[in-house]
Amino acid sequence: KNEVEQSPQNLTAQEGEFITINCSYSVGISALHWLQQHPGGGIVSLFMLSSGKKKHGRLIATINIQEKHSSLHITASHPRDSAVYICAAFSNYQLIWGAGTKLIIKP
Amino acid sequence: DTEVTQTPKHLVMGMTNKKSLKCEQHMGHRAMYWYKQKAKKPPELMFVYSYEKLSINESVPSRFSPECPNSSLLNLHLHALQPEDSALYLCASSPFTGPYEQYFGPGTRLTVT
Repeated sequence: KNEVEQSPQNLTAQEGEFITINCSYSVGISALHWLQQHPGGGIVSLFMLSSGKKKHGRLIATINIQEKHSSLHITASHPRDSAVYICAAFSNYQLIWGAGTKLIIKP
Repeated sequence: DTEVTQTPKHLVMGMTNKKSLKCEQHMGHRAMYWYKQKAKKPPELMFVYSYEKLSINESVPSRFSPECPNSSLLNLHLHALQPEDSALYLCASSPFTGPYEQYFGPGTRLTVT
């Protein structure tokens, strides 16, 4: 069992739909990092959080430390949101990466 | 300026070549990282520099040689690579090591022939 697990692995949705990507972890962490990777490689940091909830534009990230679970939500999804979304947990001062969720938003 | 730059974008090299990858940041970050990413996999940490000193080497073969000439620059020297070393090489930086947001460069796509 991986220490950081994401679900779903793949997600296809229609433009405008509300998207939820889940991340569960089994290790003690100091913070959780959500990142986005577009085809072609570049990785963009979306959020880093250690408690509660953060919002940036149409993106919302939440974390429940007791349940060892975090979610990334996208409201009013758009084709440009199509990318791989990765959660990575800070544990013992290193990032433990999830496998990523490939999101495709169809117009 | 929240940008991490990497050069070159693409590199094709033979197994006997010597080449270098370059990474630069001007955010005043004191931690810099090299990652290797194979297709459809998450990045794998290779090296961590903290205050220009190598602090973590994740058992990377000696054909990869990192260098941090100053607080803004990070190089990865490549020599006698194998075809299985073909991958996307990503550089990142953060204010310090530990639970701080990491900022990534666009990567260098390396092909070893």
